[in-house]
Amino acid sequence: DVKVTQSSRYLVKRTGEKVFLECVQDMDHENMFWYRQDPGLGLRLIYFSYDVKMKEKGDIPEGYSVSREKKERFSLILESASTNQTSMYLCASSRQIGNQPQHFGDGTRLSIL
Amino acid sequence: EDQVTQSPEALRLQEGESSSLNCSYTVSGLRGLFWYRQDPGKGPEFLFTLYSAGEEKEKERLKATLTKKESFLHITAPKPEDSATYLCAVVNSGGSNYKLTFGKGTLLTVNP
Repeated sequence: DVKVTQSSRYLVKRTGEKVFLECVQDMDHENMFWYRQDPGLGLRLIYFSYDVKMKEKGDIPEGYSVSREKKERFSLILESASTNQTSMYLCASSRQIGNQPQHFGDGTRLSIL
Repeated sequence: EDQVTQSPEALRLQEGESSSLNCSYTVSGLRGLFWYRQDPGKGPEFLFTLYSAGEEKEKERLKATLTKKESFLHITAPKPEDSATYLCAVVNSGGSNYKLTFGKGTLLTVNP
């Protein structure tokens, strides 16, 4: 079974802090993704990585950056956290683009105070 | 722009009462349609992939079907443990073929 592990289930940070969310997958997948999920808005793609050190912007990249130094690890960085970044953050990975399912971690519920 | 609309938003069933969830989609060339189940406080769990009209997939009490405009998730004789939010997502065959476009989900509650 594919396992995607997110480092924290719950996180509370303050406005202006730099925040790191970590994600690790154990299936040697090429592709990794970061989404945020908000009530009424559904899941929205923040960033996507198709290889080590490679990344593409998703639909809502503003205020975020990512890092992929190793194949199994994909980090989401909130450069200067703001209250509108309070959300559930979900990491996913997939073997191939498009015709293979993405497998999700259990999410990090991030609160920015 | 790809669009996915799920209906109903919420559905309450009695245990054993079969029903269907709908996922209507607009996409410029369908590469794949995915069904997920999401429990409260957890990430989406993959259920099925459908690739072409007429295709069907089954798993226990769930059966997913696909036409050129919509997909149905049929739930036969549901049990309380089937209670969850069911999400539908599509990927197009064009330039943004890495991107899942999700619907907002159907919240299913099965009462004992």
